[in-house]
Amino acid sequence: DTEVTQTPKHLVMGMTNKKSLKCEQHMGHRAMYWYKQKAKKPPELMFVYSYEKLSINESVPSRFSPECPNSSLLNLHLHALQPEDSALYLCASSSNSPGSGYTFGSGTRLTVV
Amino acid sequence: DQQVKQNSPSLSVQEGRISILNCDYTNSMFDYFLWYKKYPAEGPTFLISISSIKDKNEDGRFTVFLNKSAKHLSLHIVPSQPGDSAVYFCAASLHTDKLIFGTGTRLQVFP
Repeated sequence: DTEVTQTPKHLVMGMTNKKSLKCEQHMGHRAMYWYKQKAKKPPELMFVYSYEKLSINESVPSRFSPECPNSSLLNLHLHALQPEDSALYLCASSSNSPGSGYTFGSGTRLTVV
Repeated sequence: DQQVKQNSPSLSVQEGRISILNCDYTNSMFDYFLWYKKYPAEGPTFLISISSIKDKNEDGRFTVFLNKSAKHLSLHIVPSQPGDSAVYFCAASLHTDKLIFGTGTRLQVFP
């Protein structure tokens, strides 16, 4: 299995809703990531988990809450989002090999109304 | 502060010809450089990487060149195929798990 699976593919939520994005990989990768991508912009790093521990938080607002239940799963809990948070949310994983590249999922297209 | 830049937002190349995508960076401490290809509504796909201690890496139709003195790298695709049409991102890593992406170049390969 060489894939990163993200669910759901599309999500529409209101500003008062609570929802979660899910990400799963079975490649034995030790690091997992959340990126956010707005239209016509590059992916921007949000969080990094290394060996199931949060190692990087790029000053992301607390309305985004990451969770890594085990080495294969990564969640992003969403609460009280704003319309400007609408974007493509990408999950990725990587091995220890430098320069081996990340494996990205197809992303969750999030729309906040 | 954009540490990784792709100054050409788009590039159009005829099928069979060479595509050259360029990328500039500002931080001399980057240790690896990578190229990704992205189709709409999909995640980026890793293509090729190069260590900062090398100046060239080749994988099939894809070759990446690194010029450290100019802080410049380029991706050559030879021969270009219509299926190569996508957005290409260069990215750089900084001795950590953090990968910084460039702004992207949209490549169109026409028959």
